Amino acid sequence: LAKTTQPISMDSYEGQEVNITCSHNNIATNDYITWYQQFPSQGPRFIIQGYKTKVTNEVASLFIPADRKSSTLSLPRVSLSDTAVYYCLVGDPLAGKLIFGQGTTLQVKP
Amino acid sequence: NAGVMQNPRHLVRRRGQEARLRCSPMKGHSHVYWYRQLPEEGLKFMVYLQKENIIDESGMPKERFSAEFPKEGPSILRIQQVVRGDSAAYFCASSPQGAVYNEQFFGPGTRLTVL
Repeated sequence: LAKTTQPISMDSYEGQEVNITCSHNNIATNDYITWYQQFPSQGPRFIIQGYKTKVTNEVASLFIPADRKSSTLSLPRVSLSDTAVYYCLVGDPLAGKLIFGQGTTLQVKP
Repeated sequence: NAGVMQNPRHLVRRRGQEARLRCSPMKGHSHVYWYRQLPEEGLKFMVYLQKENIIDESGMPKERFSAEFPKEGPSILRIQQVVRGDSAAYFCASSPQGAVYNEQFFGPGTRLTVL
């Protein structure tokens, strides 16, 4: 299983764009990159998933370079409610189980 | 469409008692996953079930823990003879049958406290 490395914590201010980078040097051909968000005392929530290049939805964008050894989650114009832990996961989508790392704790300040 | 439901939300047990955690997946979902989250840590996979079958239990402790997902009714995670180290948040997730993408819908969790 590909191991992921992401910053433990990040601070930002309301209205800024936040980019969280995840390293996954050993990503396999069948692996997808998935990001989840977890608020305190809640279960994680799926944000976005991609395989290569760029994926965008109503919540975030995911940038994946050609070598796929890293990925960047981009949150446009964050608000206080975006304060949460963000997990980068790499794995075969048909494998079933999700492998969570420590995640990145994002603190958005007013 | 109701989301994943877990009950109870909070459970207090004394050492040596049994804990039963229930998970009702989203309507139409036949895949259920259980995860455990210790304080200040990420979620750890425990077990993956489909109706009446355990698909992957590689994350389950060998003793005292068991899980089932019967044909009718919720999935149950059972912890026998609980110890203080079992205190954690237990999350259940579900996904549709044959889901191509690794998108799991999580419930609110059950917070188990062992006294």
